[in-house]
Amino acid sequence: QLQLQESGPGLVKPSETLSLICTVSGGSLTTDSDLWGWIRQPPGKGLEWMKSISQTGVSYDNPSLKSRLSVSIDKSKNQFTLKLTSVSAADTAMYYCVRTADRETLHFDLWGRGTLVTVSS
Amino acid sequence: DIQMTQSPPSLSSSVGDRVTITCRASQNIVTHLNWYQQKPGRAPKIVIYAASTLQSGVPSRFSGGGAGTEFTLSISDVQPEDFATYYCQQSYTTPFTFGPGTKVD
Repeated sequence: QLQLQESGPGLVKPSETLSLICTVSGGSLTTDSDLWGWIRQPPGKGLEWMKSISQTGVSYDNPSLKSRLSVSIDKSKNQFTLKLTSVSAADTAMYYCVRTADRETLHFDLWGRGTLVTVSS
Repeated sequence: DIQMTQSPPSLSSSVGDRVTITCRASQNIVTHLNWYQQKPGRAPKIVIYAASTLQSGVPSRFSGGGAGTEFTLSISDVQPEDFATYYCQQSYTTPFTFGPGTKVD
């Protein structure tokens, strides 16, 4: 059964770059139709979709983050990564990696458990 | 961006009740509306997609409806495991946006 697991530093300093990895187990992320992405949730608040990409290069972007955010896929490691530059306290959140398997409905059908990232000096 | 609103923000219910949550979109999203359930300390889980399609494995007491700008999520015969926060999300256009959530307790 396909599972997603986030990993990365729990603490990042302001103005630095946040890097997170999502490891896909129990399956492959090389299915052309799947999208792989990130959603975050500040403590006690709602959900914010960040970006989703496919291994064929299709990309769905959130304009509010586009200038600071990149997501890439490493097929050899069955992982995809998030890099968010110039972080501030507003980027403190639980970060979830997600899959979208249905390009028609574009719902997020698989979620990782999440990893908490705090931005603080 | 498409703004999503939900009502009520919270609701109290008892086991066996029927509850209904409403989600409204700021513009027509046809049926590109999904519902997620989130329990404390856990990741959200898809419940309903495309407004009314039940995700595999989700109990049939959950149902969704609506189209255009107004949608509903109903839970008939609420069970203890259904107490959670429910979020709607539009997948009509980017940026994909979520409602603020409805806590069912």
